[in-house]
Amino acid sequence: GAVVSQHPSWVICKSGTSVKIECRSLDFQATTMFWYRQFPKQSLMLMATSNEGSKATYEQGVEKDKFLINHASLTLSTLTVTSAHPEDSSFYICSARTGKNSNQPQHFGDGTRLSIL
Amino acid sequence: AQKVTQAQTEISVVEKEDVTLDCVYETRDTTYYLFWYKQPPSGELVFLIRRNSFDEQNEISGRYSWNFQKSTSSFNFTITASQVVDSAVYFCALSGRGYGGATNKLIFGTGTLLAVQP
Repeated sequence: GAVVSQHPSWVICKSGTSVKIECRSLDFQATTMFWYRQFPKQSLMLMATSNEGSKATYEQGVEKDKFLINHASLTLSTLTVTSAHPEDSSFYICSARTGKNSNQPQHFGDGTRLSIL
Repeated sequence: AQKVTQAQTEISVVEKEDVTLDCVYETRDTTYYLFWYKQPPSGELVFLIRRNSFDEQNEISGRYSWNFQKSTSSFNFTITASQVVDSAVYFCALSGRGYGGATNKLIFGTGTLLAVQP
C-alpha cells in the first residue's frame, strides 16, 4: 500500500521549455502533497505544500510563478517548471500524505531527473 | 525552530558489520514525530519507521533497530549484519504536531551515505 507514482522519471529538454511533472497516489487519497528539490549529494529541500482544492503554500525563496503547482484531485498533483533554464536542472521528488496531520508518514514518488540544455 | 542533525556524512563498512547511524534533533514541540527514510542509488525515498514523541520504546524490525532517547534528543538507527543492498543514503526527519489543521512539514537531516563493501 501507499504507492506514489511520479512521471516522467527523466526529462531532457531545451532551455525555455516548460516541463510538467505528475505525482499520483495510486492506492490512497492524498489530502496533502509536497514537492521537493534535491541537488546532488544534498538533502531534500521543500519547495511547496499543496492541499487538494486550495492554492499551494510555497517555501521562502521559491518562485511560485516559476514553479506552478496544481492539486486538482485527491490523487493527483502536478508541478510545472515554466520556461526552464539550466539552473533548474535538478532531481524533483513529490510525496503524498493522507490528512494534514504530521503523524502520518509521507510516501515518496521515484523522482524526476530534469536536465535543461 | 526545528532542526535535524546527522553528523555522519559518509560511513563505509564491510558486509556483516553492524553500523549505527546517528540522528540528533531539536524542537520546542512537546508532541512531534520522527522518521527514517532510505534513498538507494535509484533515487526513490523509502519510508522505514515513524516514532512519536510519547513512545520511547525501542523498535526492532529484522536487521534494523531504532533507539529513541528523549533525554539526549536522539533517534539512532542500527543495521546489524549489514549487506551490500543496505548501501544508500539514510535520512532522519522530524515533524511537529501541526496545530489547528495546519499542515506540518518534514524537516530532513542532511543524510548519511552508507557504503557496504562486499
